[in-house]
Amino acid sequence: EAQVTQNPRYLITVTGKKLTVTCSQNMNHEYMSWYRQDPGLGLRQIYYSMNVEVTDKGDVPEGYKVSRKEKRNFPLILESPSPNQTSLYFCASSFGDNYGYTFGSGTRLTVV
Amino acid sequence: AQSVTQLDSQVPVFEEAPVELRCNYSSSVSVYLFWYVQYPNQGLQLLLKYLSGSTLVKGINGFEAEFNKSQTSFHLRKPSVHISDTAEYFCAVILDRGSTLGRLYFGRGTQLTVWP
Repeated sequence: EAQVTQNPRYLITVTGKKLTVTCSQNMNHEYMSWYRQDPGLGLRQIYYSMNVEVTDKGDVPEGYKVSRKEKRNFPLILESPSPNQTSLYFCASSFGDNYGYTFGSGTRLTVV
Repeated sequence: AQSVTQLDSQVPVFEEAPVELRCNYSSSVSVYLFWYVQYPNQGLQLLLKYLSGSTLVKGINGFEAEFNKSQTSFHLRKPSVHISDTAEYFCAVILDRGSTLGRLYFGRGTQLTVWP
C-alpha cells in the first residue's frame, strides 16, 4: 500500500531532551515536507526537501533540523525541545508540486 | 501576510443542504490550488486540485471547486452534503509555480459540521 509512515504517533517528552520523529514513504517521491498543525493556525511548513541532500527552510524552521540521506526517509529532529513545540506534526511527500501531497497520519508531540 | 485566507472558520449546515467553503489567495502570478480534507484523528487527504485549463474542477466525494482568477478565489462546493462530510477542510496554494518549488501554503482551515 502506498503510504507515508510516521513514528511515533504520540510522544510526550521533557524540555531539552533530544528527539527524532521518523518519516518514510514507499512511493519513490522526490519531494518531502514537514508541517506542524496548531489550532486556528492551519498547517505551517517547517522544512522541505526536493531530493536527496537538498533541503530548505519553510515558514517555521526555528528549533528543528532535518536530513535527507535517502530518498524514502526524511526525519525531523528536535535538538532541544521546548513547550512551544507542542503540536501535531505531519510529514508529506509528492512527485512534484502539480501532483499534490500524500500525508502521514501525524505525530502528536507534547513537551512538558 | 496571509497567502491563503479561508473566510469561515466554522460552517454548520443541515444534511442534504448545499455548502460552499470559501478560499481566497494573494498572488498575481500563476498558481496551483488544492483543497484537502482532514477527518478526526487522521492525516490530510487531497480532495481536488487546479493546475490549469478548465476553471471548474471536480474532486472526490462529490466536491467541486471553481477557480476565479479575477477574484483570486477557489471556493469549494457540494450540492448536497452528508453527515460523513463533517471534517476540517483546508485550502492550499503554490503561489508562483516553477519558482517556489515545494512551497505549499495552507489556509487556517474551515470546520464543516453537518447536522441531521
